[in-house]
Amino acid sequence: EVQLVESGGGLVQPGGSLRLSCAASGFTFSSYWMSWVRQAPGKGLEWVANIKQDGSEKYYVDSVKGRFTISRDNAKNSLYLQMNSLRAEDTAVYYCAREGRYCSGGSCYQADYFDYWGQGTLVTVSS
Amino acid sequence: QSALTQPRSVSGSPGQSVTISCTGTSSDVGGYNYVSWYQQHPGKAPKLMIYDVSKRPSGVPDRFSGSKSGNTASLTISGLQAEDEADYYCCSYAGSYSHVVFGGGTKLTVL
Repeated sequence: EVQLVESGGGLVQPGGSLRLSCAASGFTFSSYWMSWVRQAPGKGLEWVANIKQDGSEKYYVDSVKGRFTISRDNAKNSLYLQMNSLRAEDTAVYYCAREGRYCSGGSCYQADYFDYWGQGTLVTVSS
Repeated sequence: QSALTQPRSVSGSPGQSVTISCTGTSSDVGGYNYVSWYQQHPGKAPKLMIYDVSKRPSGVPDRFSGSKSGNTASLTISGLQAEDEADYYCCSYAGSYSHVVFGGGTKLTVL
């Protein structure tokens, strides 16, 4: 069974830092792109960042570029999000999500949907 | 303001059908057949219901179907059941720079 379990959320002051973790199990973690998606209280979903299987490619939404860093440790089946210079508008539940993939003829490539999600971890940025 | 436009709410009675629209542009919905839909119950994580416009993951009832015409994608739920009451979000690939964009979400009420 695929499981994604986030941790590391909490209350932090504006300008502060926080590191989120996502522990993956039930699938070959190193074979999938992974993403962070967030949801501000009472609001919709927003894709934040994603990372290639080997960590060689990383992409971010404009609003977090230069402040957030996504990383992964395939040996530990873990995904991370280092968040620096936090702002009130970063307050949200942060979800770890596995990106789907298409496989054909022995090759697989990234699909642009999220087939499994964690339960989320709440980050509150407030003084 | 979300990149994709969804109605804020829709409603229907048990057994009826409802359709939720998702309007984007030629740079996202209209440009790619990579629209997905997610169901989210209060306090829960989103769940994939439809991907690649009209494909259903294993375990999703065939009451859920997806389609697309031009810059607008749609999710149709037929034979409404009480447990379908939830928020629904559309999502589209938007190119290598933006990756994906979401709609603002639609609250489905089963009367």
